[in-house]
Amino acid sequence: NAGVTQTPKFQVLKTGQSMTLQCAQDMNHNSMYWYRQDPGMGLRLIYYSASEGTTDKGEVPNGYNVSRLNKREFSLRLESAAPSQTSVYFCASSEAEGSGANVLTFGAGSRLTVL
Amino acid sequence: QKEVEQDPGPLSVPEGAIVSLNCTYSNSAFQYFMWYRQYSRKGPELLMYTYSSGNKEDGRFTAQVDKSSKYISLFIRDSQPSDSATYLCAMSAANDYKLSFGAGTTVTVRA
Repeated sequence: NAGVTQTPKFQVLKTGQSMTLQCAQDMNHNSMYWYRQDPGMGLRLIYYSASEGTTDKGEVPNGYNVSRLNKREFSLRLESAAPSQTSVYFCASSEAEGSGANVLTFGAGSRLTVL
Repeated sequence: QKEVEQDPGPLSVPEGAIVSLNCTYSNSAFQYFMWYRQYSRKGPELLMYTYSSGNKEDGRFTAQVDKSSKYISLFIRDSQPSDSATYLCAMSAANDYKLSFGAGTTVTVRA
């Protein structure tokens, strides 16, 4: 059982370049998320998709776009990369049904450096 | 002011010691309190969670929530070198998709 798979694992971009981070989950989860992790800042939510066909902004959405391609896949796009977007990006998914705890399963992360 | 505050440490303890980690928060709507463990260059994984106030024990790990003080804790008994990781607290209101995370505390258990 692969869980949450992210690609690529590492990427170096020049300022102004674009790229897409891919994420897929095989747990039949309804909700998917993109976080960024920076030293001393913890995990900050960029965008999330509560269910297939919906997306919503999180805490730090500026400079990013997302696509929920189907129930399994949720991509994050940087249209014009900036050095401030250098970070480790995590995709996560959860069942998110009912009123119980929203337990997230995370991918291994994608390390992005923008020069 | 951040919604969730967590001392980043680092914390270094000898093997067998009790590790004590904590977070404070400001949002009184939070009902679910979680602890994630993150090994170096890996994604976070859920350690345990509690609902509302009280204690929860799972093996060597104990989570405590004091909603009146807006303070949560994680205790690791008989710590092992394999417990060396960053521990992140996270919390959410009921029926909320969004979790608020602390910055994480890095723990090293020395053999």
